[in-house]
Amino acid sequence: SQTIHQWPATLVQPVGSPLSLECTVEGTSNPNLYWYRQAAGRGLQLLFYSIGIDQISSEVPQNLSASRPQDRQFILSSKKLLLSDSGFYLCAWSDKGSQQNTEAFFGQGTRLTVV
Amino acid sequence: AQRVTQPEKLLSVFKGAPVELKCNYSYSGSPELFWYVQYSRQRLQLLLRHISRESIKGFTADLNKGETSFHLKKPFAQEEDSAMYYCALSGLSFNKFYFGSGTKLNVKP
Repeated sequence: SQTIHQWPATLVQPVGSPLSLECTVEGTSNPNLYWYRQAAGRGLQLLFYSIGIDQISSEVPQNLSASRPQDRQFILSSKKLLLSDSGFYLCAWSDKGSQQNTEAFFGQGTRLTVV
Repeated sequence: AQRVTQPEKLLSVFKGAPVELKCNYSYSGSPELFWYVQYSRQRLQLLLRHISRESIKGFTADLNKGETSFHLKKPFAQEEDSAMYYCALSGLSFNKFYFGSGTKLNVKP
């Protein structure tokens, strides 16, 4: 069966420090991968999505970047964190399947606090 | 541009009462609509999708293309239904999922 791992679960980083959040998927190949940010009162905001290795699209301009060095690995990064980067980050994957099988599967999330 | 709107941040009902969580969308095409649920200390998971026309845990949702709505309904709420509910859509390519701001459902005993 497919599983998604996301780490770390919580992270406290100072302003200006770099960031690297990692997500890996097991049990499937060539998945679509996503990074979302969940903010109170603002719901889930799609940050990045990827349909393949090194194929990444950004949905919103921001201080973050994403990379997909391997088929089932998705990394969210920043060179210098801002206070506004604090939030709950969710990684997700979906199959490139038929219409009936479309579904996004989510990781447990990372709570990032920038201080 | 696509948009999913959930007008209620919080909905409180008593156990056994009917519940309706509202969702409206805008999309230039024929989207697929979903409801996701996040129970306390659990990960976000799919509740139901409109194309399956299914009832999950007593919940149903009907896609109304004329009103661009996909409201989630349950005739008799249970305490275990208390959770955060998100409405979502994806487009023809099924590559991107867009979510609403979520509604917290609180079912009181």
